[in-house]
Amino acid sequence: DAGVTQSPTHLIKTRGQQVTLRCSPKSGHDTVSWYQQALGQGPQFIFQYYEEEERQRGNFPDRFSGHQFPNYSSELNVNALLLGDSALYLCASSSTGQPYQPQHFGDGTRLSIL
Amino acid sequence: ELKVEQNPLFLSMQEGKNYTIYCNYSTTSDRLYWYRQDPGKSLESLFVLLSNGAVKQEGRLMASLDTKARLSTLHITAAVHDLSATYFCAVYTISNFGNEKLTFGTGTRLTIIP
Repeated sequence: DAGVTQSPTHLIKTRGQQVTLRCSPKSGHDTVSWYQQALGQGPQFIFQYYEEEERQRGNFPDRFSGHQFPNYSSELNVNALLLGDSALYLCASSSTGQPYQPQHFGDGTRLSIL
Repeated sequence: ELKVEQNPLFLSMQEGKNYTIYCNYSTTSDRLYWYRQDPGKSLESLFVLLSNGAVKQEGRLMASLDTKARLSTLHITAAVHDLSATYFCAVYTISNFGNEKLTFGTGTRLTIIP
């Protein structure tokens, strides 16, 4: 049973570019949340997707956008990249049918902005 | 805005000793999660605490939740080297519109010294 998978593992971009990160949730999960984890910090909630809609959003600018597909997989898009966007981006999945279970996290995408 | 504070931020302790990590949060919540993160790795769920007075134990780790004090503790008994990691608490909140969110603490980096 595959867990949460994210791609790519690492990515290097320059300021001003755009990036797309991908996430496949754990089998049986229908909700995907994205987090940004800067070095030495805790994960910061970006947004959550359910039924292909953004359900909740954290304190991130509109440069951060996302999408969820009918198969529950999700993408995180970041436009006009800034140096401060360098971080580990984590995807977590959960199931609305099991509301008290913890979110399952992927291994993350390490994004470096030069 | 919800604030989740952990202390200490860094903890270096000898094998065989006991210690407690504290997680304080600033708003009402009756659900809290503890996660472990090894360097360069993703987050692994440790405990789910669902009500006031909840106590969970797994091996040398025990977690508790006091919703009235807005405090959770993670107690380590007779520490062993394998417990070296960063530990995060995460507080669950739900908005009036039913939108869920996890807010993570700052993390406690635990190093067990032989």
